[in-house]
Amino acid sequence: DSGVTQTPKHLITATGQRVTLRCSPRSGDLSVYWYQQSLDQGLQFLIQYYNGEERAKGNILERFSAQQFPDLHSELNLSSLELGDSALYFCASSPRIAGGGEQYFGPGTRLTVT
Amino acid sequence: GNSVTQMEGPVTLSEEAFLTINCTYTATGYPSLFWYVQYPGEGLQLLLKATKADDKGSNKGFEATYRKETTSFHLEKGSVQVSDSAVYFCALRTQGGSEKLVFGKGTKLTVNP
Repeated sequence: DSGVTQTPKHLITATGQRVTLRCSPRSGDLSVYWYQQSLDQGLQFLIQYYNGEERAKGNILERFSAQQFPDLHSELNLSSLELGDSALYFCASSPRIAGGGEQYFGPGTRLTVT
Repeated sequence: GNSVTQMEGPVTLSEEAFLTINCTYTATGYPSLFWYVQYPGEGLQLLLKATKADDKGSNKGFEATYRKETTSFHLEKGSVQVSDSAVYFCALRTQGGSEKLVFGKGTKLTVNP
């Protein structure tokens, strides 16, 4: 158990809908990262937050957005969903910007868009 | 840009066989290198890491050495077990700027009894 929690574990929804994925980082970790894992693209970095502020953006679509709250939990919002958005979405956390660089991953949310 | 290339899988071995999974990288500067493992239905777990050239990361019988001259970080284990069956990902993190991890495509390992 990494200490990172994600809810829900599974999500099935229809095209055009909007969903919210939630992540709680390890106790004391200030950085939260979101990754998408799909069969064709592999593991892709989406976005990073550090202590409530956006720090880096990767291959995140404009239909997707995220935020990190004062209690450090984070939410990833996916809207106008398309079939191609079906994937595993992982959240990871790390203690601080510098350091060893390792990230600790949650169990993921499997999103299926029908 | 930064990238990681892993040997294509799947890899199938018998128990107690020797394992090597090749990983090479392209990066600016001196990245930190990682191996993560994903067991079926689970998230990624950090297996080992190395943060500078010639460092050897090791854990649970697995090891990998950061080779700057060949830009490689190959994963090895002397004697695999059935419980090692999983998908293995090589990853890098560049210094400065974003702390994102860049992953290889993963190598699926199946160990048969």
